[in-house]
Amino acid sequence: DAGVIQSPRHEVTEMGQEVTLRCKPISGHDYLFWYRQTMMRGLELLIYFNNNVPIDDSGMPEDRFSAKMPNASFSTLKIQPSEPRDSAVYFCASSRTGTQYFGPGTRLTVL
Amino acid sequence: AQSVTQLDSQVPVFEEAPVELRCNYSSSVSVYLFWYVQYPNQGLQLLLKYLSGSTLVKGINGFEAEFNKSQTSFHLRKPSVHISDTAEYFCAVSETNAGKSTFGDGTTLTVKP
Repeated sequence: DAGVIQSPRHEVTEMGQEVTLRCKPISGHDYLFWYRQTMMRGLELLIYFNNNVPIDDSGMPEDRFSAKMPNASFSTLKIQPSEPRDSAVYFCASSRTGTQYFGPGTRLTVL
Repeated sequence: AQSVTQLDSQVPVFEEAPVELRCNYSSSVSVYLFWYVQYPNQGLQLLLKYLSGSTLVKGINGFEAEFNKSQTSFHLRKPSVHISDTAEYFCAVSETNAGKSTFGDGTTLTVKP
């Protein structure tokens, strides 16, 4: 298996623009997680899905953030409008049991 | 609710020395415990996990961890570290063998020549 795939790997955008991050989980995994990692706040769980249904979105920082999982093989995390404080590395992870498999991350820079 | 405390934010050590990274957890039920490693510019990957059975768990790259229920700890050890072990290490706890885990704040291990 190719592992968890994230795109793009790097994104540079200007404040106010819409940003869409994409994730393809490992086939057969029924949990999908979105995390954000910064030096200041460490690793934060934003939202997670089970069988494509959002289970807990309490980590989503504000209404500018939204996530969808239209099918078992694809998820998006959207930020609209983006702000400089959204700059971070965003990770997607998937699991079938307790072990989570992380993607390589998307490094987002908002100018 | 469950929580994880990694007692050291940074651990510097010389090459070939032993190392212990400390992790304590809090939970009202039985737990599953994990250690992940994150190398620079990469995602996290599993080092080892405790689900049940033997309290001494061996993982990849020569690491091992011991589950201590009375002390609610799951410390990670390696008898002799290499430069390539320089990375950030995360302890995580889950109350089920599925679903979300709660991660600690991470410990940065720096191995010096």
